[in-house]
Amino acid sequence: GDSVTQMEGPVTLSEEAFLTINCTYTATGYPSLFWYVQYPGEGLQLLLKATKADDKGSNKGFEATYRKETTSFHLEKGSVQVSDSAVYFCALRRGSTLGRLYFGRGTQLTVWP
Amino acid sequence: DAGITQSPRHKVTETGTPVTLRCHQTENHRYMYWYRQDPGHGLRLIHYSYGVKDTDKGEVSDGYSVSRSKTEDFLLTLESATSSQTSVYFCAISESPTGEREKLFFGSGTQLSVL
Repeated sequence: GDSVTQMEGPVTLSEEAFLTINCTYTATGYPSLFWYVQYPGEGLQLLLKATKADDKGSNKGFEATYRKETTSFHLEKGSVQVSDSAVYFCALRRGSTLGRLYFGRGTQLTVWP
Repeated sequence: DAGITQSPRHKVTETGTPVTLRCHQTENHRYMYWYRQDPGHGLRLIHYSYGVKDTDKGEVSDGYSVSRSKTEDFLLTLESATSSQTSVYFCAISESPTGEREKLFFGSGTQLSVL
C-alpha cells in the first residue's frame, strides 16, 4: 500500500545551519507529494508541494524536489531560523484519490539561537 | 487563515460513552476530512466527505461514523469510546482535491482523552 517514510527526529540545529529532512515514499503510479508544517498548538499548514517527477516545490526558503528514480522528496533549507522550529510532515496523494493524503510520522525540528 | 472551527477543543470522557466532535467551516469548501494524530503514526485519515450527505471511509474508520447534513458542518461520532481512541483529532477542508488549488486547511484540533 501507499506509505511515506521520514527520517527519525528530533533534529536540533543552530540558527543559520543547513537543514535536510529525508522523505521516501512507496506508491503505485505517479503520486503528488507534499510537505506540511505544524507549529506548536496549531493545525498543519501546507509548506510546499510537487505534482510530477522533477518538479521542485519551494516556499519560505524551503525546497524539495520530486525524484521518481529514488522515490524521494527531501526537504531542504539553506539557513534555518529559530522560527522554523516545528514538526514537519511529508505526505503523498495517489493520483486518483480525492484529496486523501498519507502522512509520514513527522520530524521535530528545534533551532537554537 | 481558513475559517475552520473545531469543537470542543478538549474533552475527557469515559470508556463506552458516545462522543461527537464538530467541525464548522465558513469557506464553503466542498471537501472535508477527519484525521487523527498519534505519536509515531503521523496523521491518519478516518473519514472524508466530498459533498453534503456524501462520505467515505479512510484508513482507520472502525469505531467512527460521520455525518454531513450541511456544507459547513462535518460531525465525527465515536459510538462507544475506547481508550485506543484517545488522540488529537484534526478536521481539514479543501476547495479542490487535485490541481493547482489543491491544499488542505487544518483546524486547531480536538484533544480527546478516553479514560
